[in-house]
Amino acid sequence: SQQGEEDPQALSIQEGENATMNCSYKTSINNLQWYRQNSGRGLVHLILIRSNEREKHSGRLRVTLDTSKKSSSLLITASRAADTASYFCATYFGNEKLTFGTGTRLTIIP
Amino acid sequence: DTGVSQNPRHKITKRGQNVTFRCDPISEHNRLYWYRQTLGQGPEFLTYFQNEAQLEKSRLLSDRFSAERPKGSFSTLEIQRTEQGDSAMYLCASSQGQGAFYEQYFGPGTRLTVT
Repeated sequence: SQQGEEDPQALSIQEGENATMNCSYKTSINNLQWYRQNSGRGLVHLILIRSNEREKHSGRLRVTLDTSKKSSSLLITASRAADTASYFCATYFGNEKLTFGTGTRLTIIP
Repeated sequence: DTGVSQNPRHKITKRGQNVTFRCDPISEHNRLYWYRQTLGQGPEFLTYFQNEAQLEKSRLLSDRFSAERPKGSFSTLEIQRTEQGDSAMYLCASSQGQGAFYEQYFGPGTRLTVT
């Protein structure tokens, strides 16, 4: 079963705008990870945030984690056409498996 | 390219046939994982190996499924007596260490279609 739920399920924005997607999960985690999936490059790891961290940055990506609300957000700034993909959050409980959410389909309109 | 590779990329088979998929992880990675992904869903964990030992299997992995990693390098996933419900993308990933600290690198997947 899916652990996380991404919101929204689909998002379309103009190139250059910022995109925000959210992830909620059900149980305590060790870390939370965001992945991107498109037909060209498959599933690619974007960023990992540990349960004792609240915010993390990587290039145009900003991830926040609120363990009290069991939620995380991914912000992509200054979006580009190449950012068009599905984005998944995945939670890690310490049992060596990732549990993925259902994904947000992001479309960047040139 | 030294990423995770999977073969074949696509497989079409008739219901009842057996199929086998292969995964070659990144060479220095001791952990190898199999996931299944159906349309519109995120990947779901099937099983994982640390070196040649299979340490966890999901309830999704029925007795028709078997996975091996005989020498701690490549892995195979076999599905016997395939059913239409087995149609999915099968993803392999590898990692150099414990998931608390290391990311998983995914291969391109094998898309299985059971007719």
